[in-house]
Amino acid sequence: DIQMTQSPASLSVSVGETVTITCRASENIYSNLAWYQQKQGKSPQLLVYAATNLADGVPSRFSGSGSGTQYSLKINSLQSEDFGSYYCQHFWGTPYTFGGGTKLEIK
Amino acid sequence: QVQLQQSGPELVKPGASVKISCKASGYSFTSYYIHWVKQRPGQGLEWIGWIFPGSGNTKYNEKFKGKATLTADTSSSTAYMQLSSLTSEDSAVYFCARSGIYYRYNDYWGQGTTLTVSS
Repeated sequence: DIQMTQSPASLSVSVGETVTITCRASENIYSNLAWYQQKQGKSPQLLVYAATNLADGVPSRFSGSGSGTQYSLKINSLQSEDFGSYYCQHFWGTPYTFGGGTKLEIK
Repeated sequence: QVQLQQSGPELVKPGASVKISCKASGYSFTSYYIHWVKQRPGQGLEWIGWIFPGSGNTKYNEKFKGKATLTADTSSSTAYMQLSSLTSEDSAVYFCARSGIYYRYNDYWGQGTTLTVSS
């Protein structure tokens, strides 16, 4: 199985700051990666697919990058509605494992 | 609009089975995959498997073979996940989610079903 190592596990930031979350795959996943945002008590919402493509309706302050085994989600100028948990997930062969998650909190 | 409506919370006894439903609307049910994902309290997400309702084909995470059984009823556009021999380790929120034929990322999600296993 492909392991997804996500970091950091938690982050305390202020509104207006820029953050980067990373995911490292245990082998090449050829950009078959998605990022999701999850608010407390809600279902995950798709942010980025195929490593770099923003899902419909996702603000342009979000961006995805990476290739091979290393991927990142960047959020520019954090807004209050961006706080919550973020997960990466690969789709290069089953099981489609998720990263351990990053909890983004208000400083 | 695309919607996945899941069944309500369940409280079941250890050793029992439970069947959770996910009713799809707003798209062609037989042309998309339905995935199931587990989230234990305060924990991350775990992929259980998928079913393609158009054919009934399924794919499971090895970890959930023997635990989860995925089915679909095309007449009612509803996907089901049965969980058997329940223990406290199965207490979690379970989500269904959709993906396309040519992509596997999940673009629409159900609201989640909370399962509590307790005597």
